[in-house]
Amino acid sequence: AQSVTQLGSHVSVSEGALVLLRCNYSSSVPPYLFWYVQYPNQGLQLLLKYTSAATLVKGINGFEAEFKKSETSFHLTKPSAHMSDAAEYFCAVSGETSYDKVIFGPGTSLSVIP
Amino acid sequence: KAGVTQTPRYLIKTRGQQVTLSCSPISGHRSVSWYQQTPGQGLQFLFEYFSETQRNKGNFPGRFSGRQFSNSRSEMNVSTLELGDSALYLCASHNTGSYEQYFGPGTRLTVT
Repeated sequence: AQSVTQLGSHVSVSEGALVLLRCNYSSSVPPYLFWYVQYPNQGLQLLLKYTSAATLVKGINGFEAEFKKSETSFHLTKPSAHMSDAAEYFCAVSGETSYDKVIFGPGTSLSVIP
Repeated sequence: KAGVTQTPRYLIKTRGQQVTLSCSPISGHRSVSWYQQTPGQGLQFLFEYFSETQRNKGNFPGRFSGRQFSNSRSEMNVSTLELGDSALYLCASHNTGSYEQYFGPGTRLTVT
């Protein structure tokens, strides 16, 4: 069965520093992978997705993620953190078929220190 | 296209009451999923509807139910509310054959 783990429920970075949010998955089939962001009192918004094309995926707001099959990882990065990046980030993996539900990770709360 | 809409946005209910939440998916999307989000439990999957049929179900008691109408709009109902049902309830829609989900802003339910 598919599963997602996110290392670190809370991550703090200084403004201008590198953002690295970790995601590891397990999947019995080639996965589709997603990162979502949630700002306070809002729904989740898709940041980027991996759909078996390029392994380095660029998303909105300067974020990118790299799919590494050998490490079963899909870590999210941003070269320089901005105050507006403070939010909750969720990694997700597709189900075995398009009829199965998407599996979300527990989330990582990102704080940006001025 | 208009995004996913959820009504109401905020709701306060008393323990023991029941509540109905509504979700209108993006036009053309036939699948609607519901999630409960709380600080302690994170994002938990409730159920998914596709073409008026429940396709997947999470591990919630029978007090939580849902349905989907022919226009793909969905409702979820919680009966005999408990304090622990206080949460943000999120609805998401996606297109047939696509895993990409589009979320609504959520309904914040407070049970007192």
